[in-house]
Order: sequence, then C-alpha cells, then structure tokens
Amino acid sequence: TQLLEQSPQFLSIQEGENLTVYCNSSSVFSSLQWYRQEPGEGPVLLVTVVTGGEVKKLKRLTFQFGDARKDSSLHITAAQPGDTGLYLCAGEYRGSNYKLTFGKGTLLTVNP
Amino acid sequence: KAGVTQTPRYLIKTRGQQVTLSCSPISGHRSVSWYQQTPGQGLQFLFEYFSETQRNKGNFPGRFSGRQFSNSRSEMNVSTLELGDSALYLCASSLGNIFTDTQYFGPGTRLTVL
Repeated sequence: TQLLEQSPQFLSIQEGENLTVYCNSSSVFSSLQWYRQEPGEGPVLLVTVVTGGEVKKLKRLTFQFGDARKDSSLHITAAQPGDTGLYLCAGEYRGSNYKLTFGKGTLLTVNP
Repeated sequence: KAGVTQTPRYLIKTRGQQVTLSCSPISGHRSVSWYQQTPGQGLQFLFEYFSETQRNKGNFPGRFSGRQFSNSRSEMNVSTLELGDSALYLCASSLGNIFTDTQYFGPGTRLTVL
C-alpha cells in the first residue's frame, strides 16, 4: 500500500508569517501533485512536480520534489487569509494498480 | 467554459439502500475519476473511466460501481449502503490522462447514511 503522510495535520498562523508543509512517502512516485481545497469545493490543482530535486514557484508558493522522489514540501511566504484551506498532496504510483494516492492533507488557517 | 457539475449536492439515505450519483465533466474531457473523501481516510481513489471503459480502479468493494456514457457523463452507484459510506464523493475530469493532464474537480456530493 502506498501511503502519503502529510504534516502537520493542522496549522494556524498569523497573516504575514511563513510556513512549510510536508508530504512524505516510503514509495517512489513518478510525479507528485499539490492541491488546495476550500470548504464546499473540490480540490484545485496548484502544481505538478516530476523530476527529483525539482523546484517550482507559484507567486508566494514554492514547491519542491525530493531528490529520491519520495517526499515533497510546500513553502508559503507571507501567508494571507486567502491562503486558508486544505492542502493535499497526491502521488502517481505506477504499480499493479495504476492510481493516484492522496495524503490526508494539512488544514491551514491564516488569521488576519 | 462550464466546470464539472455533480448532482445531487446533498443526499441522505438509510443503511441497506442504494444510491446513484451523477457527474458531468467539462466539455471535451473524456476521463472521469471518482474519489471518496472522509475526515479519517482523506481522499481515496475509487475508479476512473475513459471512453466508457473503466481504466483504473482503487481498493473499494464491489458495492461501488460506475459507468460512463458516450457523452462522457458518468454515474457512480453504491449498493447496500453502510454507515461508513457517509462521505463527500468527488468526481474529476481531465482530457485523458489523470497524471499528465490537469484534473478538474467538481464540488462533490455529500452523502449521509443513517
């Protein structure tokens, strides 16, 4: 069973602070995706990382895929209340059961 | 361009009943995937349909089934409902490859089993 562990599970910070959330697995993934989900909505894709060591930036968000392709991190600089939501990572695992495996998410609250 | 739509948005059923959920993908998208989201297990992949054929399947019992129509619309059926089936059911559509093409999620159907 391929498992993605996300940490922390909950995070509450003040506007303007920086934060990092993590996504770890014992399995090697072909690619990894990050999503943000707001209450009452489905997840929205933020980024896909494919190459070990890859770093992608999306405005104040920086995503990194570990060299061994077993872990990833999302760093947010100067968080804003609009960043509030559930952040999910999802790994592509190409085994006998070709599927996308999601972590349980990090629930981020940014207080004004 | 209209997004992914799911109907109904909310559903209440009792144990033993069956339920059918519907998903209309974005126009032109041929892949539809279904997921179950619960606080305890997170978001879990149920199955994916492409061109009316189930292409990938997660680890759910046979009570969970689906189908896709020629217009790419998809339905998911759960038979003999159990309390543990209470969850948010999400569908997502993509052009064809859920790993390389962006998946667009619908708002979900909130199923409560009493």
